[in-house]
Amino acid sequence: DAMVIQNPRYQVTQFGKPVTLSCSQTLNHNVMYWYQQKSSQAPKLLFHYYDKDFNNEADTPDNFQSRRPNTSFCFLDIRSPGLGDAAMYLCATSIGDGEQYFGPGTRLTVT
Amino acid sequence: AQSVTQPDIHITVSEGASLELRCNYSYGATPYLFWYVQSPGQGLQLLLKYFSGDTLVQGIKGFEAEFKRSQSSFNLRKPSVHWSDAAEYFCAVGPTSGGSYIPTFGRGTSLIVHP
Repeated sequence: DAMVIQNPRYQVTQFGKPVTLSCSQTLNHNVMYWYQQKSSQAPKLLFHYYDKDFNNEADTPDNFQSRRPNTSFCFLDIRSPGLGDAAMYLCATSIGDGEQYFGPGTRLTVT
Repeated sequence: AQSVTQPDIHITVSEGASLELRCNYSYGATPYLFWYVQSPGQGLQLLLKYFSGDTLVQGIKGFEAEFKRSQSSFNLRKPSVHWSDAAEYFCAVGPTSGGSYIPTFGRGTSLIVHP
């Protein structure tokens, strides 16, 4: 089945230790998104790619970076995680009409 | 700018009762509208969507929603709720064709189902 896969599902990192979250898709969608979701809140868009064109939300901290080496894969790098970065990170894809397909998420814990 | 309002943070219903979750939007053109469901610790799953045409749309898991342009609403309904429907529900408004492609999400409504 075509799908969006996120690895790992759970990630524990230490304060200040860089971490990378990964997302892959078999849908061949040209748009990929990264969201941060904290408890009982709506997903907050961090950035998205339209093909290789990178779009950063204005309020996304510089601590967050992303890479999309090809259509199928997208990575979220957190350079120096703080306690406030503990959250669920969701990857989603779309053909560009707004309908999104979400992965199961990666739960990040910062100790 | 587009915006979405889900006025109810929590809704509690008894199993077997009917359900309506409210969603109001603000958008300058014909919107694309979506309802997503999120179970605890999971990603979001699309329940249904409205792009054009019939204003009453059917989705998965027995859900339906009605687009009312005059009221700027897209309320989600289900005639008989099951315990497994307990989850967080998000309404979203998206771009029309040719526009940007960044949906705006409401803050979500948490559905609690009593046996």
